[in-house]
Amino acid sequence: SQQGEEDPQALSIQEGENATMNCSYKTSINNLQWYRQNSGRGLVHLILIRSNEREKHSGRLRVTLDTSKKSSSLLITASRAADTASYFCATEETSGSRLTFGEGTQLTVNP
Amino acid sequence: ETGVTQTPRHLVMGMTNKKSLKCEQHLGHNAMYWYKQSAKKPLELMFVYNFKEQTENNSVPSRFSPECPNSSHLFLHLHTLQPEDSALYLCASSQEGSGFTGELFFGEGSRLTVL
Repeated sequence: SQQGEEDPQALSIQEGENATMNCSYKTSINNLQWYRQNSGRGLVHLILIRSNEREKHSGRLRVTLDTSKKSSSLLITASRAADTASYFCATEETSGSRLTFGEGTQLTVNP
Repeated sequence: ETGVTQTPRHLVMGMTNKKSLKCEQHLGHNAMYWYKQSAKKPLELMFVYNFKEQTENNSVPSRFSPECPNSSHLFLHLHTLQPEDSALYLCASSQEGSGFTGELFFGEGSRLTVL
């Protein structure tokens, strides 16, 4: 089974609301990364959080990491229609294996 | 612009054709990657090159043949593909450290359709 799993698979909200996506993983990690993908385009890196960090902010994004629960969350505050995209978490395991991606959360922000 | 350019953006080929996907990175990174993205499946890592040397091949069928002539260019040669190979093929680059992949910079992808 895959390393990272996002929850929910799909999320639909209104502009201005906050969006929260979760990621769970199975093994020890060096870092966890969040990426965004607009339909039919490449992935864009959003934020990287290291295993010794608990929270990180970047603009309207807030990422938390709980290594004891092997989970992370991505919060997008004051969402905009332009935030509509798929969001993926990716983990870099301590075993040295490559980044492993989850299946993603499809976020739709309705104007 | 992410600094990673992929061509072509769209490709339709028959099962007996031979075609190539091209990727170029302008970021000075030492590692380049090919990923496959199929509908409703996680990204699948296909190949990794570090300083032109292939460091990973994730049991990819031989009908996919990578080539990395230098650390800025990466090709994926395609021949006798199957319809199930239809997918979005993504190229990425990163500055790898010792046991550290780092942030990946992706191209826009090549949408491949095999008839």
